[in-house]
Amino acid sequence: DAGVTQSPTHLIKTRGQQVTLRCSPKSGHDTVSWYQQALGQGPQFIFQYYEEEERQRGNFPDRFSGHQFPNYSSELNVNALLLGDSALYLCASSALAGANEQFFGPGTRLTVL
Amino acid sequence: SQKIEQNSEALNIQEGKTATLTCNYTNYSPAYLQWYRQDPGRGPVFLLLIRENEKEKRKERLKVTFDTTLKQSLFHITASQPADSATYLCAPPHTGRRALTFGSGTRLQVQP
Repeated sequence: DAGVTQSPTHLIKTRGQQVTLRCSPKSGHDTVSWYQQALGQGPQFIFQYYEEEERQRGNFPDRFSGHQFPNYSSELNVNALLLGDSALYLCASSALAGANEQFFGPGTRLTVL
Repeated sequence: SQKIEQNSEALNIQEGKTATLTCNYTNYSPAYLQWYRQDPGRGPVFLLLIRENEKEKRKERLKVTFDTTLKQSLFHITASQPADSATYLCAPPHTGRRALTFGSGTRLQVQP
């Protein structure tokens, strides 16, 4: 079992650009959540996808959008990048019918210059 | 709004001692609370989940308590080892659903 995988590992963009991050959930998991973690802070919930729809959303602007595919993998898109978007982006998967623990991927480190 | 508070100062203890980390929450009555471990540059790893009707939960050298009156959870590591050095995150559910609200974490440093 490969666990949760994310790509790319690192990414450097400039202000105003757009970025797409990818996540494959743990085998058997159907729910994917995305988090943003700034340096020295805890992860902040962005949104959650289940059955290819956004089910919950945290306090993030519409510049942050996502998608879930039929195979449960997911993408996070961020438009019009700001310097403040520099962070570690974490994907977590869980099984909707089961325990509440979440399995996190290694994250994508995004740097906006 | 919901607020999760963990001691932002690092906790330094000697190997073999018990580490105790605190998580306080306000404007919130979570049905359960999770604790995660995070090493630098890596994603959090689930450790324990405790429900509101459970006073205490144990797993090997780990123990978590949940006091809904004090709105506080305590996380204990007994017989601590240098390998326990990491940041520990407290995480109740996000508005009662399956996503999580994380505290800022407490960094634990165990000295040999």
